Amino acid sequence: GDSVTQMEGPVTLSEEAFLTINCTYTATGYPSLFWYVQYPGEGLQLLLKATKADDKGSNKGFEATYRKETTSFHLEKGSVQVSDSAVYFCALKVIYNQGGKLIFGQGTELSVKP
Amino acid sequence: DGGITQSPKYLFRKEGQNVTLSCEQNLNHDAMYWYRQDPGQGLRLIYYSQIVNDFQKGDIAEGYSVSREKKESFPLTVTSAQKNPTAFYLCASSIDQRLTNEKLFFGSGTQLSVL
Repeated sequence: GDSVTQMEGPVTLSEEAFLTINCTYTATGYPSLFWYVQYPGEGLQLLLKATKADDKGSNKGFEATYRKETTSFHLEKGSVQVSDSAVYFCALKVIYNQGGKLIFGQGTELSVKP
Repeated sequence: DGGITQSPKYLFRKEGQNVTLSCEQNLNHDAMYWYRQDPGQGLRLIYYSQIVNDFQKGDIAEGYSVSREKKESFPLTVTSAQKNPTAFYLCASSIDQRLTNEKLFFGSGTQLSVL
């Protein structure tokens, strides 16, 4: 079935370091892909998305490119800040005959130290 | 401001007790969802509703029940049949059942613990 696999956390980085969080997926066809972010004690917010192969989603300095050859959607940021500390979720959209839903990965916790 | 309101923020359940988590949205969204979040397991779909008076089981519906009598409300009841209810519960909504705008809006969650 459809699924999302993320690299395990926690990931701990120093401020201004380069960030990569790996995400791979298994799905029928070419689903839309997403990164959501969850700050402590809050719900999830959409960070970026890509709807077709080779699309690049970007927001707040974060980027991810939809790679159909490797079924991947890795999240990157060139220089992280303390305020980026959060849990990051990769997700894909599944369409069925009655509608759509999102399937999430297990989440990767990022901790950025000053 | 439009959004999703979940209450209470913290909830404690005694053995054998049913508890209800509230979720209200003023976004005029058709579809609503309940997810359960456990450390290291990500989000798992409990129930979802595409329209008033209709709802479907998700991947882990056992021990839970829902209702959708009004468009803006989608309460979740954790019954005594749910043997491991301690988790963070998230309610979400989308503009329509096909996720046309490809975005879920989330509430700030309810942490349920067993006494």
